[in-house]
Amino acid sequence: AQTVTQSQPEMSVQEAETVTLSCTYDTSENNYYLFWYKQPPSRQMILVIRQEAYKQQNATENRFSVNFQKAAKSFSLKISDSQLGDTAMYFCAFIPNYGGATNKLIFGTGTLLAVQP
Amino acid sequence: GAVVSQHPSWVICKSGTSVKIECRSLDFQATTMFWYRQFPKQSLMLMATSNEGSKATYEQGVEKDKFLINHASLTLSTLTVTSAHPEDSSFYICSAPPQGLSGANVLTFGAGSRLTVL
Repeated sequence: AQTVTQSQPEMSVQEAETVTLSCTYDTSENNYYLFWYKQPPSRQMILVIRQEAYKQQNATENRFSVNFQKAAKSFSLKISDSQLGDTAMYFCAFIPNYGGATNKLIFGTGTLLAVQP
Repeated sequence: GAVVSQHPSWVICKSGTSVKIECRSLDFQATTMFWYRQFPKQSLMLMATSNEGSKATYEQGVEKDKFLINHASLTLSTLTVTSAHPEDSSFYICSAPPQGLSGANVLTFGAGSRLTVL
């Protein structure tokens, strides 16, 4: 079965501090995409960062970076210099069929991040 | 950039009535669209994959006759909740891959539709 596990239902961080959200996944595929999505109170899904499984280099997007450990099937998200606007639900997700005909996303259960002033 | 418009954003209906939710790709064509359901404080669960010009593919446990999906054109997919009941109250989100625009498997999401069945 292809699954995504986020073991931290809720997390809290002080403004300007760094926080890491955990994610593990299970798949027998070798090529796939991994994503972190943010869902603020507006409920709009926003792509934070993505990682192609064939790339060894960890993806970064400004204050957001990932630690991708393919052998361990781990894909954690680090948020540096946390801002109040980072408060949201964060979902880890992956597409288990890179290059295939489908873009079927499998989501984790989410981590609710609260940035405290 | 690729934009997916979802309408209505919020709908309240009486039990037993049907509700239609539209998902439109505004600046790209989408041969495939995905419909998700999200209960409060929970994750997104894929309900079905909408295919332009053919039948939708439903996930296990999703009632086809309950959740009718029509993908009549390359820019429009609709989800109709038939004979809605209070347990159908949820947040429904559509998404579409902007193939040909980004060249990557990046889905664009609609803003979602909150359904409340009284």
